[in-house]
Amino acid sequence: EAEVAQSPRYKITEKSQAVAFWCDPISGHATLYWYRQILGQGPELLVQFQDESVVDDSQLPKDRFSAERLKGVDSTLKIQPAELGDSAMYLCASSFHQGANTDTQYFGPGTRLTVL
Amino acid sequence: KNEVEQSPQNLTAQEGEFITINCSYSVGISALHWLQQHPGGGIVSLFMLSSGKKKHGRLIATINIQEKHSSLHITASHPRDSAVYICAVLIQGAQKLVFGQGTRLTINP
Repeated sequence: EAEVAQSPRYKITEKSQAVAFWCDPISGHATLYWYRQILGQGPELLVQFQDESVVDDSQLPKDRFSAERLKGVDSTLKIQPAELGDSAMYLCASSFHQGANTDTQYFGPGTRLTVL
Repeated sequence: KNEVEQSPQNLTAQEGEFITINCSYSVGISALHWLQQHPGGGIVSLFMLSSGKKKHGRLIATINIQEKHSSLHITASHPRDSAVYICAVLIQGAQKLVFGQGTRLTINP
């Protein structure tokens, strides 16, 4: 069964360093989502792509976070510089159609980031 | 106040018990999702509802649009049901999910 792939699964870094996370959605899925989940809370959308275009990045802290999906397939989320408050699980999800109400979102295993 | 509230936050029960997890929301929605998150982070979509009731195996999800409330029920609970259950709503006119904080369920043998 096709799955959303993410790497690394775990990342420990020191504050002020740069980190990058990678996501490969299910083949053929046009929509890709990056979520941040702080321990004990539900996920929060950071950025949504439709193919290579950003649909929603209203909750992305653009002073330090960036995301790209250059060829409309896999995606990279970067944080520079990392801060202590960035420690969280970063989840990637994909769906076939745009809009969460038209199709199920499939989630990857996540990248757990710890900033020391 | 969060747009999506779940209760209880934590629930511990014995194997075989009937489980109910509740979700209330304060905005107009197009659909509501129930998700299961296992230790380690992986999330699986269980149900997507816009009205009525859905059943899959021992899981039942209901929604009352007028009351802005949904419930997830688990019959004959089993230790493998132990996970965090998350309610998420698609806000009308928007194309993104808003998540509840999750309910941590522990089923003891």
